[in-house]
Amino acid sequence: DAGVIQSPRHEVTEMGQEVTLRCKPISGHNSLFWYRQTMMRGLELLIYFNNNVPIDDSGMPEDRFSAKMPNASFSTLKIQPSEPRDSAVYFCASSLVLSGEQFFGPGTRLTVL
Amino acid sequence: KNEVEQSPQNLTAQEGEFITINCSYSVGISALHWLQQHPGGGIVSLFMLSSGKKKHGRLIATINIQEKHSSLHITASHPRDSAVYICAAVGGSQGNLIFGKGTKLSVKP
Repeated sequence: DAGVIQSPRHEVTEMGQEVTLRCKPISGHNSLFWYRQTMMRGLELLIYFNNNVPIDDSGMPEDRFSAKMPNASFSTLKIQPSEPRDSAVYFCASSLVLSGEQFFGPGTRLTVL
Repeated sequence: KNEVEQSPQNLTAQEGEFITINCSYSVGISALHWLQQHPGGGIVSLFMLSSGKKKHGRLIATINIQEKHSSLHITASHPRDSAVYICAAVGGSQGNLIFGKGTKLSVKP
């Protein structure tokens, strides 16, 4: 298995632009997680899904952030409009069951100018 | 106060030394993860444990539920062990992870 796949790996955009990050979980995994990592705050959980249904989005910073999981093999995290403080590495992870071992993707490094 | 505290924040060791990284948590958990993040940024899950001890190669993880404390040990450390080690508590029966700030380990040859 290729593991969790994220795209793009790097994204540089200007403030105000829409950014879409993509994630393909490991086939057969039922849970998917979006995390953000910054130097100041470390790793933070943004939102997670179980069987394609959002379970907890309390970590989403504000309404500019939205996430979807239209099917078991694809999820997106969208930021609209983006701001410089959104610059971070965004990780996607998947697990077989909700409380199981999580497998992380390589991350998307986002820079908002 | 963070719900998950790690110590030390930074650790420098000589190759071959025995290393211990500590993690304390104040929340009720169903399990605890130890993660490794290499300088390139990738995150790898090392252990997930809810009781007792687990061993994988030179790595050993222990957890004491009553004391709300977990340790990660590395025996015969090697420069390739240099990375950031992160503990993360699993809140309740759900999957949400609460992360520690990480311990940056540097092993010198």
